[in-house]
Amino acid sequence: SAVISQKPSRDICQRGTSLTIQCQVDSQVTMMFWYRQQPGQSLTLIATANQGSEATYESGFVIDKFPISRPNLTFSTLTVSNMSPEDSSIYLCSAVSTLSYEQYFGPGTRLTVT
Amino acid sequence: RKEVEQDPGPFNVPEGATVAFNCTYSNSASQSFFWYRQDCRKEPKLLMSVYSSGNEDGRFTAQLNRASQYISLLIRDSKLSDSATYLCVVRSSNYQLIWGAGTKLIIKP
Repeated sequence: SAVISQKPSRDICQRGTSLTIQCQVDSQVTMMFWYRQQPGQSLTLIATANQGSEATYESGFVIDKFPISRPNLTFSTLTVSNMSPEDSSIYLCSAVSTLSYEQYFGPGTRLTVT
Repeated sequence: RKEVEQDPGPFNVPEGATVAFNCTYSNSASQSFFWYRQDCRKEPKLLMSVYSSGNEDGRFTAQLNRASQYISLLIRDSKLSDSATYLCVVRSSNYQLIWGAGTKLIIKP
């Protein structure tokens, strides 16, 4: 199985600022994703992180608000820009294993915007 | 209609009982199927993949019915530690992963 680390694990930020979350995978993966999950809610896919090119965003999410990078196969960043309290959530990095095609998750970044 | 549907629950089940979850999917071209478990305030973790012939892992049995487009998860002899949200995941032919909203399970002593 793939082991995925994220940092920071949590942060409290002021509105109007930006936060970049880093995701590192310890093995070969094909696809990487960023999700958001509100407390008690299901996962919401933000975007698919594409290596060396622009991410593919889901409806309701745009690059200006959530810029994503994936400079290599095992590393990606998500930035939450110009934050508002509505952005308070858990942000989860996820990756699909090259070998098993199973999907794994990082521990999440718990973001609170005040 | 949602692409992947699950009964949100919660299912309140006494310890030791057997509990079954169903999940239906709308895309007949879906290729792979999984059950994940998510504990409160934790990330989802893969519980088991679901194979066409059905598969078992200890107390857990997963089955796939392609004709009816549903997946099931059976938990026998439930433990208090089984309390969690169980998420059904379907991979479509273009490798897109579709997540169900999850079914919450509460095991009572």
